[in-house]
Amino acid sequence: DGGITQSPKYLFRKEGQNVTLSCEQNLNHDAMYWYRQDPGQGLRLIYYSQIVNDFQKGDIAEGYSVSREKKESFPLTVTSAQKNPTAFYLCASKASAGGFDEQYFGPGTRLTVT
Amino acid sequence: DQQVKQNSPSLSVQEGRISILNCDYTNSMFDYFLWYKKYPAEGPTFLISISSIKDKNEDGRFTVFLNKSAKHLSLHIVPSQPGDSAVYFCAASANRGGYQKVTFGTGTKLQVIP
Repeated sequence: DGGITQSPKYLFRKEGQNVTLSCEQNLNHDAMYWYRQDPGQGLRLIYYSQIVNDFQKGDIAEGYSVSREKKESFPLTVTSAQKNPTAFYLCASKASAGGFDEQYFGPGTRLTVT
Repeated sequence: DQQVKQNSPSLSVQEGRISILNCDYTNSMFDYFLWYKKYPAEGPTFLISISSIKDKNEDGRFTVFLNKSAKHLSLHIVPSQPGDSAVYFCAASANRGGYQKVTFGTGTKLQVIP
């Protein structure tokens, strides 16, 4: 089955620790995205990648970092510099960044930092 | 600056009746619009889309209407079923130098009462 996997589903960390969220896709999509969702808010774009070895900041990139070394993988690191890291994180992919087509989302990772 | 607004956070509808979810946008550069459906603790799934050159798109029980002059989008579900109970996100896309940037609304929680 083609799709996007995110692991783990739930993640707990202590304040001050960096944490990396995994995102893998086997849809052969060029573009990948990271969003965060907070209660009462829409999905806000953290980072996106149009192609391997390329990524760009989204609207709320501060305190986050990404890499895109392989087409299938787009891990997100939440650093200790992120002031409010507790949120639901969603990874998505799309056939191409410039096309009029939909994004496919993974099941999400709920991160809790205490 | 919320460019895509879903002013109704929730909506309750009887099974078999019509559900109408509304979305307003402010950016006239948006050229593609999408609706996603999201169940709790899952990623959103694509439902239906419409190009800015059209005013209606239909797919089974789901119809999206676009009123460009009013910058208004609506999703009609007829007839509504209990399985339609979910959060619905409106999204709008604009070209940013070859990349389609997608902006999401805050979501409307639909409850279909049996």
